[in-house]
Formats: sequence, structure tokens, C-alpha cells
Amino acid sequence: GESVGLHLPTLSVQEGDNSIINCAYSNSASDYFIWYKQESGKGPQFIIDIRSNMDKRQGQRVTVLLNKTVKHLSLQIAATQPGDSAVYFCAENPKTSYDKVIFGPGTSLSVIP
Amino acid sequence: KAGVTQTPRYLIKTRGQQVTLSCSPISGHRSVSWYQQTPGQGLQFLFEYFSETQRNKGNFPGRFSGRQFSNSRSEMNVSTLELGDSALYLCASSLEGWETQYFGPGTRLLVL
Repeated sequence: GESVGLHLPTLSVQEGDNSIINCAYSNSASDYFIWYKQESGKGPQFIIDIRSNMDKRQGQRVTVLLNKTVKHLSLQIAATQPGDSAVYFCAENPKTSYDKVIFGPGTSLSVIP
Repeated sequence: KAGVTQTPRYLIKTRGQQVTLSCSPISGHRSVSWYQQTPGQGLQFLFEYFSETQRNKGNFPGRFSGRQFSNSRSEMNVSTLELGDSALYLCASSLEGWETQYFGPGTRLLVL
């Protein structure tokens, strides 16, 4: 069935280094992707999104890359800070209509001071 | 603008009881979605409401139900609670449903 999966369930990085969190999706019809950050005890928080007509989108210290050929999504965090420690979810909307969003299992990012 | 709010934040129930959770979306948002989050299953979609109508439904038993009011506030109900229903229940709102969803803090339900 349709699914969004993550390659790495846990990731530890040194403070100041760059982090890369990966995500694979299986539905080639998906055209909208979102990254969420979930800190302990809180609901997921929107980080950045990208549409399928784009390959790259940048935000503040974050960049999302989309490779439609291999159905792969990644989130890059520059100069990772302790406050970036959280679980990161990728999510896909199968199409720009009212289909339900599908979330990946999440990657736990730990930043080592 | 106030974010998504959920009440109560924590709840303890026993097997067989029922529970009602409440969600108030961001002002102006008409779509409300509910998710169940557990360590083993991750985030699973329950259902989505738009303009008081259930528009999408996930693969959960009929014990899980919901509704949306004219002011877009939503409630979900779980009847005949089971131990496996212990989870964090998240509500998310968006303008029309397919755009970015904004999540509330969740209601943590513990079934004993």
C-alpha cells in the first residue's frame, strides 16, 4: 500500500554540524510534501513544504530536497543546534485535493553539545 | 492568531468506558483532522472533517467517531475503550484540507 518511510530511525549529530534526514515515499502521484518537527510533549510543528514541481526549497537553516526519480525526500538542517533535537516526520499528500496526509514513522534527531 | 487547542490534555479511563476529546482549530480553518500517535504505529490518520461533514476516514473501527460543529470545532469519541487505545490523540487544522496542517498539543489518553 501507500507509505512514506524513513531510512534512519535515529540520528546523532554534533552541535554546529549539518544534519540530513531522509525519507522515501512510494506514491508517485503525491505532489505535496511536508516536514514536521515534534518535540517531546508537543504536537508536530510545520517546518517546510515542497511541491512536486520543485526540486529544492530553502527556509531558515533548513532545506528540503525532492528527487522524484527515486521518490526520495530529504531535510537538511544547517548548523544544528540543541534546540533542533526532536522527532522529524515527513508527510505526503497524494494529490492536491482532499486525500488524507500520510506520515512517515519519524526520525529522532539528537544534537550532542 | 491563536493556535489549535485541545482539551483535555491528559485523560485516564478504564476499559469499557467512553471518552470525548475536543479540538478548536485556528480561526478561519475549516478542515480538522484527527490522528492517533503511538510509539509502535506512529501517526495514524483517523478522520477529517470539513464544513461539518466527514470527508476522509482512516482504517479504524467504528468505535472511533467524530463530528464537527458549525464553528469548525470538532470532537472525537471513542466508545468501549480498549487498552490499545492508549495513545496521544492529535488534532490538526488547515484552511481547506490539503494545505499545511497545524497541530494542537494533543490529548494523552491512558486506558487502564
